Amino acid sequence: AQTVTQSQPEMSVQEAETVTLSCTYDTSESDYYLFWYKQPPSRQMILVIRQEAYKQQNATENRFSVNFQKAAKSFSLKISDSQLGDAAMYFCAYRTLTQGGSEKLVFGKGTKLTVNP
Amino acid sequence: GAVVSQHPSWVICKSGTSVKIECRSLDFQATTMFWYRQFPKQSLMLMATSNEGSKATYEQGVEKDKFLINHASLTLSTLTVTSAHPEDSSFYICSARGREGVREQFFGPGTRLTVL
Repeated sequence: AQTVTQSQPEMSVQEAETVTLSCTYDTSESDYYLFWYKQPPSRQMILVIRQEAYKQQNATENRFSVNFQKAAKSFSLKISDSQLGDAAMYFCAYRTLTQGGSEKLVFGKGTKLTVNP
Repeated sequence: GAVVSQHPSWVICKSGTSVKIECRSLDFQATTMFWYRQFPKQSLMLMATSNEGSKATYEQGVEKDKFLINHASLTLSTLTVTSAHPEDSSFYICSARGREGVREQFFGPGTRLTVL
């Protein structure tokens, strides 16, 4: 079964600085999708960035970028120019298939990011 | 676009009663909806997957008779917690995905259930 590991329960960063959140996963599949979701105190899950495994180019969305290392099964998230609004729980997720053939997301345990003014 | 709503956002009920939570896709047709459970300071765990017009597929360990899921239309799925007990207290989140080829799941704001 696929597993997702986030080894940093908590991280902190100074406003305007850069922080990197780690994520590793285990899979035997060759084609898959990886996601980073943000969950602020409101509990609303928000998609931050998505990466298709077949794409070698790392995904980028404004201040958010990933370092996707397929061979190492690593998928880290870099947040540049951190803002106070970036403070949240960040979940790494892997898209796989259920027993019934539908897709499902497997989430890591999350990293709580604090942004210090 | 891609807005998912949940109702209610917060519910308190007595032990032994049933509670229904609605999940709606407001601006797209959701062919597949997912129900997750999140305990405090923990990750999301998938409970079940439902496709419009067919029976839900439950994850291992989830009691299908306790957590009834209905996906009657392309914009509405419901989760009914039957004979709720205090251990069912949790945060329940739904998500929805549209047509094939769209890989993101769009999440609702969640429902906090407290069973007294």
